[in-house]
Amino acid sequence: AQRVTQPEKLLSVFKGAPVELKCNYSYSGSPELFWYVQYSRQRLQLLLRHISRESIKGFTADLNKGETSFHLKKPFAQEEDSAMYYCALNTGRRALTFGSGTRLQVQP
Amino acid sequence: KAGVTQTPRYLIKTRGQQVTLSCSPISGHRSVSWYQQTPGQGLQFLFEYFSETQRNKGNFPGRFSGRQFSNSRSEMNVSTLELGDSALYLCASSSDGLFNEQFFGPGTRLTVL
Repeated sequence: AQRVTQPEKLLSVFKGAPVELKCNYSYSGSPELFWYVQYSRQRLQLLLRHISRESIKGFTADLNKGETSFHLKKPFAQEEDSAMYYCALNTGRRALTFGSGTRLQVQP
Repeated sequence: KAGVTQTPRYLIKTRGQQVTLSCSPISGHRSVSWYQQTPGQGLQFLFEYFSETQRNKGNFPGRFSGRQFSNSRSEMNVSTLELGDSALYLCASSSDGLFNEQFFGPGTRLTVL
């Protein structure tokens, strides 16, 4: 069965510190992975997807099939990065399996 | 483009009643997915519709149903409401394509008393 695990409920860092939000997945097929973000009082929105291999707002994520991981990283955190982050796995036909989410708190 | 809209935004019902939630996708999007979000279970996939057909269904009881109209607007219905159905119900729309982004609505907050 497919599963997405985000081990940290809360990650608190200081502004300028590196950030790594962990995501591990379990899926027998070829994974299609995403990071979604929800800022305070805003709707859930796509941050990035593994297929694009892009950097958005300074965030990157690399799919590691050997370790079944898709960790989200940013070298220097900003206060505006404070939000709820969800890792998601597409298990077919727009059926996303979400992790439980990690709240990132960037302190000044 | 206007974003995904959901109505109503808030709803209070009592156990045993039924409820219908509505979702209007972004213009041109033909795929609509529904999710339930609760503190205990997180975000869980309910079902996905494309061109008025249900293409995929999550692991929810038959009390949860949905449909899609020819203009791509979608409704979901929950019958015989239970206290555990209290949740934020999100819908998301996307244009069809292998890796197309899902755009989420603001959600409908359902409270069952």
